[in-house]
Amino acid sequence: SAVISQKPSRDICQRGTSLTIQCQVDSQVTMMFWYRQQPGQSLTLIATANQGSEATYESGFVIDKFPISRPNLTFSTLTVSNMSPEDSSIYLCSVERRVTGVEAFFGQGTRLTVV
Amino acid sequence: SQQGEEDPQALSIQEGENATMNCSYKTSINNLQWYRQNSGRGLVHLILIRSNEREKHSGRLRVTLDTSKKSSSLLITASRAADTASYFCATDKTGGGADGLTFGKGTHLIIQP
Repeated sequence: SAVISQKPSRDICQRGTSLTIQCQVDSQVTMMFWYRQQPGQSLTLIATANQGSEATYESGFVIDKFPISRPNLTFSTLTVSNMSPEDSSIYLCSVERRVTGVEAFFGQGTRLTVV
Repeated sequence: SQQGEEDPQALSIQEGENATMNCSYKTSINNLQWYRQNSGRGLVHLILIRSNEREKHSGRLRVTLDTSKKSSSLLITASRAADTASYFCATDKTGGGADGLTFGKGTHLIIQP
């Protein structure tokens, strides 16, 4: 298994500002994943963060809005830029382990409220 | 769009009863997984079933997979109050690569004491 520490656990931010979420894994991993969970909804993959290269974004998500850093194999950050109330969501960091299939491990999430 | 669709979206049962949740998906998969989420926090992996398996058990959990119908079910037997949570199915996004998971919409399960 993997232990993932994510912070902050929650924040209330003013619209127009930016928030950087940190994700620390207790072991080295090639890929880290960032998901968004809007209120009452399921998880949607934002992007895949590889160490040493630019993140790969899913349809509907762009780097200018959600810049990602991956400085080493145990750490990543996601920034939510120029926030609006529509960005109010839970943001989750995840890593995957491949044994007999893909199993994902998640941080506890960052609950973001934009006012 | 979401790969998986769970039903029911919400389920409320009495403690001790069995809870069944269903999930459908659209594309070919290598495996399907079920996760639990308590109170909007991080997800916990419950069980994985591979595409060549039809049924799998883990404690009070029983998962079935029907690849011909592209559907899966999660049965929780002898439910407990602590089982109250949201349950999501998830599939490999590309059916094989480590490219993240595609999650269903989830079932919110409430166990009434």
